[in-house]
Amino acid sequence: SQQGEEDPQALSIQEGENATMNCSYKTSINNLQWYRQNSGRGLVHLILIRSNEREKHSGRLRVTLDTSKKSSSLLITASRAADTASYFCATGGSEKLVFGKGTKLTVNP
Amino acid sequence: EAEVAQSPRYKITEKSQAVAFWCDPISGHATLYWYRQILGQGPELLVQFQDESVVDDSQLPKDRFSAERLKGVDSTLKIQPAELGDSAMYLCASTPHLTRSNEQFFGPGTRLTVL
Repeated sequence: SQQGEEDPQALSIQEGENATMNCSYKTSINNLQWYRQNSGRGLVHLILIRSNEREKHSGRLRVTLDTSKKSSSLLITASRAADTASYFCATGGSEKLVFGKGTKLTVNP
Repeated sequence: EAEVAQSPRYKITEKSQAVAFWCDPISGHATLYWYRQILGQGPELLVQFQDESVVDDSQLPKDRFSAERLKGVDSTLKIQPAELGDSAMYLCASTPHLTRSNEQFFGPGTRLTVL
């Protein structure tokens, strides 16, 4: 069963625009992670935010976490064609990660 | 940069045949995971190893799937017999050890097609 649900399922934007995707989850968490998956490839870890953190930055990525609403958002600023990929949130307890269904982002040149 | 290795990258088989996938985690990583990812879905955990021991195989269809990590290093996932519904990407991941952060490092995956 999948814990997280990403929204939207698909997002298409122009290069240079910002992309925002959201994740909602059901049970309490210790941390939440975001991963990227290029077509037909494995997943790459992007960022981890702990339950006691509200916002975290890494390069062009900004992640927020609202534990009261059981939701997180991933913002990619100044998007590039190379950001085209699927993005997954993952929640974990006892080291077992549970992934959502992902948001498929397309950045058009 | 150290990577998780998987082979083969692609496998086409007929239903009722046996298939096997291999994974070599990053050197020194004690925890190894096998995931199945159906097209359009997120990965779902099949089995988790800590060294050579199975930590979690609650989602592994044990009537047809088996996994081993005999020396606590590389691992093999087997399906026998394969069914049409097994068509998916099989991903291997590893982490240094059981930690709170549990960032996982993924291999490129094996794309299985069952005809």
